[in-house]
Amino acid sequence: AQRVTQPEKLLSVFKGAPVELKCNYSYSGSPELFWYVQYSRQRLQLLLRHISRESIKGFTADLNKGETSFHLKKPFAQEEDSAMYYCALFRGGFGNEKLTFGTGTRLTIIP
Amino acid sequence: AAGVIQSPRHLIKEKRETATLKCYPIPRHDTVYWYQQGPGQDPQFLISFYEKMQSDKGSIPDRFSAQQFSDYHSELNMSSLELGDSALYFCASSLGRTGWTDTQYFGPGTRLTVL
Repeated sequence: AQRVTQPEKLLSVFKGAPVELKCNYSYSGSPELFWYVQYSRQRLQLLLRHISRESIKGFTADLNKGETSFHLKKPFAQEEDSAMYYCALFRGGFGNEKLTFGTGTRLTIIP
Repeated sequence: AAGVIQSPRHLIKEKRETATLKCYPIPRHDTVYWYQQGPGQDPQFLISFYEKMQSDKGSIPDRFSAQQFSDYHSELNMSSLELGDSALYFCASSLGRTGWTDTQYFGPGTRLTVL
């Protein structure tokens, strides 16, 4: 079965400092990886997906199949980045179209 | 752009009562997913529907049932409510099975409180 691990429940970073939220996964197939963000009292929003290889709000994430990781990075943290971040894995195929989420990392940006 | 709509946004019920949560997907989206997020927990997949047929099932209790209607909206019916059912229930929608990797877009959630 697939599994997503986010080792840090809480992460505090000073404004302007680099940010890295870790995500590791276990899945024998070829997964689709996503990062979702949940701002306080708001819905889960898609931040980025690995196949699009785009940068959203300055965040990037590279899928490393050798290390089975999909870490989220941003070179300079901003106060509005404070939120809950979920790494998620999508396993396709009929009957398997669901996202498996990690436990989330609460990112706090210190002014 | 239109987003996923969920109603009600908040619901308070007592133990052993019944609740119905509704989800209206983004227009043209034909796949709906339900997730349950307990306090301080990550979202857990419950069930999904594609073209009105159940397509996947997760850790959904037998007391819960769901269906997708002809207009693609979905309802999650919860009976014999328990205190542990108190959670935020997310609905997500996506655009069918083009390559199996359609992005799921989430609604704002329904916060259910069972007293």
